[in-house]
Amino acid sequence: AQTVTQSQPEMSVQEAETVTLSCTYDTSESDYYLFWYKQPPSRQMILVIRQEAYKQQNATENRFSVNFQKAAKSFSLKISDSQLGDAAMYFCAYREAQGGSEKLVFGKGTKLTVNP
Amino acid sequence: NAGVMQNPRHLVRRRGQEARLRCSPMKGHSHVYWYRQLPEEGLKFMVYLQKENIIDESGMPKERFSAEFPKEGPSILRIQQVVRGDSAAYFCASSPPGVTAGPQETQYFGPGTRLLVL
Repeated sequence: AQTVTQSQPEMSVQEAETVTLSCTYDTSESDYYLFWYKQPPSRQMILVIRQEAYKQQNATENRFSVNFQKAAKSFSLKISDSQLGDAAMYFCAYREAQGGSEKLVFGKGTKLTVNP
Repeated sequence: NAGVMQNPRHLVRRRGQEARLRCSPMKGHSHVYWYRQLPEEGLKFMVYLQKENIIDESGMPKERFSAEFPKEGPSILRIQQVVRGDSAAYFCASSPPGVTAGPQETQYFGPGTRLLVL
């Protein structure tokens, strides 16, 4: 079964600085998708960024970017120019590609604190 | 385009009562997923439905839990005879149809229903 591991229960960063959140996963599949979701205190799950495994180029969304290392099964999230509104729980998630299981498998999350 | 709607947002039940959680997917989305989040945990998959069909219920507890997505109306997650361990946040997500028979890969989440069992 696929598993997703987030080894950092908590992280903190100074406003305007850069922080990297770690995620590793275990799968025997070659084609899949990876996601980062943000859960602020409102508990709403918000999609931050997604990556297709067959794409070598790392995904980028404004201040958010990923470092996808397929051979190492690593998928870290970098947040640049951190803002107070970035404070939240961040969840890494895995999904098989079409034809496989449609479910998302989540890590346990990393709580990010942004210090002013 | 309205997002995924869930109601109620908060639900309090006493042990032994029934809980019914509703989810209306985004317009045009025909695939619905339910996840449960226990305190201090990540989300755990429960069930995946398309209209009038349960596709994958591998994450559903064997007893007391059921889900449906009728031809008309919202998807319903039903928990019978609730126990304190059912207290959690229940999230619904939806995705649009993909190019092939399955859904697109991105799931869009609703705000969740917080169930508290007294």
